[in-house]
Amino acid sequence: AQKITQTQPGMFVQEKEAVTLDCTYDTSDPSYGLFWYKQPSSGEMIFLIYQGSYDQQNATEGRYSLNFQKARKSANLVISASQLGDSAMYFCAMREGAGANSKLTFGKGITLSVRP
Amino acid sequence: GAGVSQSPSNKVTEKGKDVELRCDPISGHTALYWYRQSLGQGLEFLIYFQGNSAPDKSGLPSDRFSAERTGGSVSTLTIQRTQQEDSAVYLCASSLVTSGGGTGELFFGEGSRLTVL
Repeated sequence: AQKITQTQPGMFVQEKEAVTLDCTYDTSDPSYGLFWYKQPSSGEMIFLIYQGSYDQQNATEGRYSLNFQKARKSANLVISASQLGDSAMYFCAMREGAGANSKLTFGKGITLSVRP
Repeated sequence: GAGVSQSPSNKVTEKGKDVELRCDPISGHTALYWYRQSLGQGLEFLIYFQGNSAPDKSGLPSDRFSAERTGGSVSTLTIQRTQQEDSAVYLCASSLVTSGGGTGELFFGEGSRLTVL
């Protein structure tokens, strides 16, 4: 089974509107971390936000927030007030186990296009 | 430099040749990762080094692929007898692993684009 599933083939959003990018995950480990990365056309990988499995509150970083629904095993990224520079590929990733001592498994990514 | 450094940034080679890709992680980062990304695709895990522990090689696609990490710092990914399907961007990342928590997010290099003709 896929560890990280990102099924949206491509998303479009109007500038200044909010958009949600979906991510579901599969693990039997009670301790894990979830990450979102942005990859613009330049190819660099930019870390956006992190959610730990035991965190009580949803993570937020500026215009990024993570809608963490543990029972449903989903960790959707919400981008508020979209900007043209948000056009990029977005990857959800998971690290299983406590601490930061294992690999990150990435989903296949979602392409987001922001329309002016 | 302050970031993860990879070289070469671009490599064109002929089928059957060997290639070496180099990664210089952020100073002090104990964990180092190699991923492969084909055009428009996600990141495929290749190998993970953490300190003096045995590396996690579970993602290496064949025995033509190998990687070393010398002195806990610089890493070299070697692909022997390259095939056209090896064409991809090879991304290296490092992270700081501490016992005191922290996210342990990966910091990525800009990648080495390999083209096998």
